[in-house]
Amino acid sequence: GAVVSQHPSRVICKSGTSVKIECRSLDFQATTMFWYRQFPKQSLMLMATSNEGSKATYEQGVEKDKFLINHASLTLSTLTVTSAHPEDSSFYICSASGGDRPDTQYFGPGTRLTVL
Amino acid sequence: AQSVTQPDIHITVSEGASLELRCNYSYGATPYLFWYVQSPGQGLQLLLKYFSGDTLVQGIKGFEAEFKRSQSSFNLRKPSVHWSDAAEYFCAVVPTGGGNKLTFGTGTQLKVEL
Repeated sequence: GAVVSQHPSRVICKSGTSVKIECRSLDFQATTMFWYRQFPKQSLMLMATSNEGSKATYEQGVEKDKFLINHASLTLSTLTVTSAHPEDSSFYICSASGGDRPDTQYFGPGTRLTVL
Repeated sequence: AQSVTQPDIHITVSEGASLELRCNYSYGATPYLFWYVQSPGQGLQLLLKYFSGDTLVQGIKGFEAEFKRSQSSFNLRKPSVHWSDAAEYFCAVVPTGGGNKLTFGTGTQLKVEL
């Protein structure tokens, strides 16, 4: 149990375009989902926390207009990187918690974004 | 300031040898404690967690961790390492009563020599 998926696993896009990444909890209802960014050989940096049906809470320094987060259902959250630039290239990981596991985050496999 | 420290950036062990990865935290009250493992290009997998109770916690893949309040530590151990254990290991905490926002350590890269 506690499986989280992400799609796509890898995406390459041109500078100025927008990219959407999906995060799904497959076998539990995720009342809270988290989005992280990870730079090479570094730890995870929390970008935002989203609760189902509510606006996301962004961490300091994260542009909410650039990284749009939607958590419309208990099994799906999306991260849209708008007007992507090469500096947005990174590994994006989501996690989810909820159901009978409210205190534990389960992570997706990550999405490698490359902006040309 | 509240923090999580993993003192060892890199550790190399021989296959079959024992392993201990260190994690120390600095919080007013004992937080919830987690160990995650990340293989290259992958997400994080939960190895084990400690909320309360027995201070020796058993996890998946033969890992265990011991919570020591006096040392503010939650070290991860495995009696005999397998080559497939080579990965990045992250200690993480959630402050008790502070929601469920994880704070990660900087990670320890484990290399296993055959």
